[in-house]
Amino acid sequence: KAGVTQTPRYLIKTRGQQVTLSCSPISGHRSVSWYQQTPGQGLQFLFEYFSETQRNKGNFPGRFSGRQFSNSRSEMNVSTLELGDSALYLCASSSSTDTQYFGPGTRLTVL
Amino acid sequence: SQQGEEDPQALSIQEGENATMNCSYKTSINNLQWYRQNSGRGLVHLILIRSNEREKHSGRLRVTLDTSKKSSSLLITASRAADTASYFCATDRGGQGFSFIFGKGTRLLVKP
Repeated sequence: KAGVTQTPRYLIKTRGQQVTLSCSPISGHRSVSWYQQTPGQGLQFLFEYFSETQRNKGNFPGRFSGRQFSNSRSEMNVSTLELGDSALYLCASSSSTDTQYFGPGTRLTVL
Repeated sequence: SQQGEEDPQALSIQEGENATMNCSYKTSINNLQWYRQNSGRGLVHLILIRSNEREKHSGRLRVTLDTSKKSSSLLITASRAADTASYFCATDRGGQGFSFIFGKGTRLLVKP
């Protein structure tokens, strides 16, 4: 099976812009989670989607949003970008409640 | 706030030596998992240990869990240069779906 794929792999934006990141889970996986990784805060949970519904949510402002499509692909959107949003954004998929399989990540740089 | 806290933050050893990393957490958990990350790339799942288990093995990996102390350890035996990476523990409190809480990781350097 193909692994979790994320696009784009690298992205450069300026403050105030918005960005959309995409994640394609492993075939058959219905759960997709998003994480933000920064040197200062480490890996932080953003949200999880299951069958097109947000099932869990972390402590991030409303500028961070997501959605999941009927084919389980997921997108994450960040509006009004801030310098502090520069991070590696990781997507993970799962077919169960135990193990998550991570994609390679999208490196977002906000200038 | 981070639930899992790995210790040490960084570890440097020679190839062939064993590496031990520890993780402490704050609240009750359903399971604890260890992941590896190479150079800012995606995370690779290593091993899962459930709250009712005390020890688990997978190849050169050995994980222990002490729920009374809210701590876990990851032992990598006979380390190789390819084991150089950051290692994270992640806790799952259970309930519906995922909401993993990761520690800040241990950076392991295995020198050839």
